[in-house]
Amino acid sequence: QVQLVESGGGVVQPGRSVRLSCAASGFPFNTYSMHWVRQAPGKGLEWVAIISYDGSFQFYADSVKGRISVSRDKSNNTLYLQMNSLRVEDTAIYYCATEGNLHTRYFFDLWGQGTLVTVSS
Amino acid sequence: QSALTQPASVSGSPGQSITISCTGTSSDVGAYNLVSWYHQHPGKAPKLIIFEVNNRPSGVSDRFSGSKSGNTASLTISGLQAEDEADYYCCSYAGSSTYVFGSGTKVTVL
Repeated sequence: QVQLVESGGGVVQPGRSVRLSCAASGFPFNTYSMHWVRQAPGKGLEWVAIISYDGSFQFYADSVKGRISVSRDKSNNTLYLQMNSLRVEDTAIYYCATEGNLHTRYFFDLWGQGTLVTVSS
Repeated sequence: QSALTQPASVSGSPGQSITISCTGTSSDVGAYNLVSWYHQHPGKAPKLIIFEVNNRPSGVSDRFSGSKSGNTASLTISGLQAEDEADYYCCSYAGSSTYVFGSGTKVTVL
């Protein structure tokens, strides 16, 4: 079954850290660049980060640069998002998504169901 | 990177056509033919409906079509149906492996 399943969300205090996971199955994970996209409650989508198919480069949105790190483990087909120094404004559903398909890129094809991170004291 | 500008809401009656605009800048929408569109039903993950301005993924209804002129992209939904009621987001590649989403449009079927 082709799917992405996020986990790791929950309630976190401001200033603390959290690591989100995204387990991929049913497709050649190691051939796809992967993204994280977030959505604050009742708000729109915000692109957060990309990691290349081989993990050789990562890029981040200015709003999170310096506080987050994206990584991937090809041995267990899992994508990670490490978030540090969390702020209240980081409260959001975090989605992982594949970039493109086998023929073209630059869009988000397969999405996970999302995991909610709530930053609150 | 500022969000692309979309109307907050658009509505139409069943069977009608509606168009959602998505305005960016010469650094994103205007620079690349890499605009994609997504719809999102309440409580669900977004779903891709258009990529590369005007291409539909397999399985997406041909009632959805996209276009672009200058710094503005558009999504047209023809033959509006009740199931089309959702939030719609555009997204553009913005260079250097970064992306920017639109502010989102709530489509209401009257």
